[in-house]
Amino acid sequence: GAGVSQSPRYKVAKRGQDVALRCDPISGHVSLFWYQQALGQGPEFLTYFQNEAQLDKSGLPSDRFFAERPEGSVSTLKIQRTQQEDSAVYLCASKPGGDYGYTFGSGTRLTVV
Amino acid sequence: AQSVAQPEDQVNVAEGNPLTVKCTYSVSGNPYLFWYVQYPNRGLQFLLKYITGDNLVKGSYGFEAEFNKSQTSFHLKKPSALVSDSALYFCAVRDTHDYKLSFGAGTTVTVRA
Repeated sequence: GAGVSQSPRYKVAKRGQDVALRCDPISGHVSLFWYQQALGQGPEFLTYFQNEAQLDKSGLPSDRFFAERPEGSVSTLKIQRTQQEDSAVYLCASKPGGDYGYTFGSGTRLTVV
Repeated sequence: AQSVAQPEDQVNVAEGNPLTVKCTYSVSGNPYLFWYVQYPNRGLQFLLKYITGDNLVKGSYGFEAEFNKSQTSFHLKKPSALVSDSALYFCAVRDTHDYKLSFGAGTTVTVRA
């Protein structure tokens, strides 16, 4: 597609519920990133994929967070047993290999109640 | 380690006046620097980047930024602000040896008519 597409745009989850957030990057983009943006804050790095390989997951806040990109295109960020502190906007970005331009999606706003 | 500081939470200017949003950075190597803008309920939109070359970088919507290595700064500027420039602005840095962006906390710009 023309841009990075994320779905759903908004998600309300009850505390303890599992959620899955989807990112559809720009076709052919090798690198894919997930960021978490808490209210009033800048985006914080969660994890990085190069094709299907997850090369860095150092930013994932707990083992309740899990990301995958099995075929090197679409990625899913899964949060198990959601907590109120997980409420944030989750941003996905992709970029071609060897390039400096990061294209961000519109994000998924997760609210845990 | 890499980090970004945006010392001003808010910047208020009158339409037609110059706009400056400050950013300083810290990296261990050479920096790649970026500015993004975020409108309410939207993702991050790319404005401009500095990779190498001319210290004055021109970007979208009439914005420009000047890379100053000695002051480790990358301030965003616009000679004549518009009401439509009101938004949240993020500065981001990447070390040449890294792949992930580190963001500042953001600066809210309000341009009054």
